[in-house]
Amino acid sequence: GAVVSQHPSRVICKSGTSVKIECRSLDFQATTMFWYRQFPKQSLMLMATSNEGSKATYEQGVEKDKFLINHASLTLSTLTVTSAHPEDSSFYICSAPRDRGLSEQYFGPGTRLTVT
Amino acid sequence: EDQVTQSPEALRLQEGESSSLNCSYTVSGLRGLFWYRQDPGKGPEFLFTLYSAGEEKEKERLKATLTKKESFLHITAPKPEDSATYLCAVQAGGTSGSRLTFGEGTQLTVNP
Repeated sequence: GAVVSQHPSRVICKSGTSVKIECRSLDFQATTMFWYRQFPKQSLMLMATSNEGSKATYEQGVEKDKFLINHASLTLSTLTVTSAHPEDSSFYICSAPRDRGLSEQYFGPGTRLTVT
Repeated sequence: EDQVTQSPEALRLQEGESSSLNCSYTVSGLRGLFWYRQDPGKGPEFLFTLYSAGEEKEKERLKATLTKKESFLHITAPKPEDSATYLCAVQAGGTSGSRLTFGEGTQLTVNP
């Protein structure tokens, strides 16, 4: 299957600082990528849709000024958590569909963010 | 609003004890139903895509089936390495694009 990578895999930051998470599609181009957040023992919650060359689309209740998304190229999307607080601690996962339209999405390995 | 409900929440099996996981869905215009496996601390791993009622797909000890209202993931003679959380997701038509709506998952434990 297609490969999606994330960096870093784990990050610990202090409250009030910003953290950037990268998501890369390694063997295919992705005009769209998705960012999810997953709390312990819960399922994946879609945060936003990252679109190459245009603004991201955020789900209801997700603060776009806090979670900045930049889809810089056809293989890279970044999520920046600004002014992080302990409640932002979570498992962040990105995904990308291999093709436009109807196709399975391939997920990255996830990034564990801990805000102290 | 698209909804996906998985049952049971947790399932414990003995090695070799076959069973099924259920995924019920409500969606306006199903484009695809997806099954994923997720191990602790990792991203979901793609298993199957089902597109229309009556479709079935198999991979090793897993078999996924689809009706107009639900999907089943059948596990035949499971092994301890099948222990994981199994996630079901739907992709709707219209303006939803490629976005997926996930269920809460079924946590499967297979004891040796």
